[in-house]
Amino acid sequence: DGGITQSPKYLFRKEGQNVTLSCEQNLNHDAMYWYRQDPGQGLRLIYYSQIVNDFQKGDIAEGYSVSREKKESFPLTVTSAQKNPTAFYLCASSITTPWAEAFFGQGTRLTVV
Amino acid sequence: KQEVTQIPAALSVPEGENLVLNCSFTDSAIYNLQWFRQDPGKGLTSLLLIQSSQREQTSGRLNASLDKSSGRSTLYIAASQPGDSATYLCAVSDTNAGKSTFGDGTTLTVKP
Repeated sequence: DGGITQSPKYLFRKEGQNVTLSCEQNLNHDAMYWYRQDPGQGLRLIYYSQIVNDFQKGDIAEGYSVSREKKESFPLTVTSAQKNPTAFYLCASSITTPWAEAFFGQGTRLTVV
Repeated sequence: KQEVTQIPAALSVPEGENLVLNCSFTDSAIYNLQWFRQDPGKGLTSLLLIQSSQREQTSGRLNASLDKSSGRSTLYIAASQPGDSATYLCAVSDTNAGKSTFGDGTTLTVKP
């Protein structure tokens, strides 16, 4: 059953802590992406990766970090430097042709307590 | 910088009505436009993808059109059903599919 798996579904973070969100795909896609969604708004790009061991900043990368050591995995770390981390985080993947369709995971809701 | 606008922000219709959701974008140099559905607290489900060389795509009761020159796309839903209630997002890509710019969505409520 191919798809994108994000875990955990819900995550609570104390102020000053780093937390890592998991994203795994078995679609054999080269490209993977992290988006942030705030209530009533669209998605904003945090980081993206088009090949293993390479990634680029998106529009709102400050306070976040990523790694891409394996093709199927693209974890996102929300660091203590991110001042307003409470949001819904979505991971996506695609092939790397310009006309490719993007596929999304079910999201992780992060709340700062 | 690409900007995507969706109008209206919310729409409520009675069951059975045909409806149109609108999406506009500022930079016409796009590779594709994708319409998504999002249920509350869930991820995005792809509905239709229109490549820049295409004018429209159809899937069941859904039809999406693209007019690059005017920077507009519409999503037409025929014979709406309560199960169509969700937020509909459009996204345009000017590099590759995942690196897209999203609108804020239209929240649709279909009343029985």
